[in-house]
Amino acid sequence: GNSVTQMEGPVTLSEEAFLTINCTYTATGYPSLFWYVQYPGEGLQLLLKATKADDKGSNKGFEATYRKETTSFHLEKGSVQVSDSAVYFCALLPNTGNQFYFGTGTSLTVIP
Amino acid sequence: DGGITQSPKYLFRKEGQNVTLSCEQNLNHDAMYWYRQDPGQGLRLIYYSQIVNDFQKGDIAEGYSVSREKKESFPLTVTSAQKNPTAFYLCASSRRTASSYNEQFFGPGTRLTVL
Repeated sequence: GNSVTQMEGPVTLSEEAFLTINCTYTATGYPSLFWYVQYPGEGLQLLLKATKADDKGSNKGFEATYRKETTSFHLEKGSVQVSDSAVYFCALLPNTGNQFYFGTGTSLTVIP
Repeated sequence: DGGITQSPKYLFRKEGQNVTLSCEQNLNHDAMYWYRQDPGQGLRLIYYSQIVNDFQKGDIAEGYSVSREKKESFPLTVTSAQKNPTAFYLCASSRRTASSYNEQFFGPGTRLTVL
């Protein structure tokens, strides 16, 4: 079946620290992979995506590389800011499906 | 601007009452989805619809109902049969491609509280 596993939170970092949030997946075929961000009291916003193996998605300093050999899509940012404090969700869409599969979310707090 | 609107943002309901949450999109997307989010938890799929007048149950459909009479609209009714309806409800939509769908776009959410 299809599923997404992401690292448990909460994660607390100091400003300008390096961020990694791990995400691994199980899927048949070649899914598309996504990272979404949710700020308090709001809906989810697409942060970045990758649709095939070895693709790198990037946006606002965040990056994630689609690694088929390790079935992973880890989110990274070189220098986090207080404004990056939010909940981050990893998600997959099977290549022939219509249903998304979300991870449980990882809460990030960045302190000045 | 294209997007998804949900109303109201906050909703209070007495036990035993049905309540309907609105979701409208002007993105011309084919598929629409309803999710429930509880504090500190991920998203759970309630219902989804790929075309007008058709919808499928998700993982937690019991106590909920939907309709899809127009492409732009996908209202969710939380019925009195839903035992624990207090939660944050998110609506999403996505565009169909030749073989699958594109990424989902989300509305701002409705926070439902049962008094």
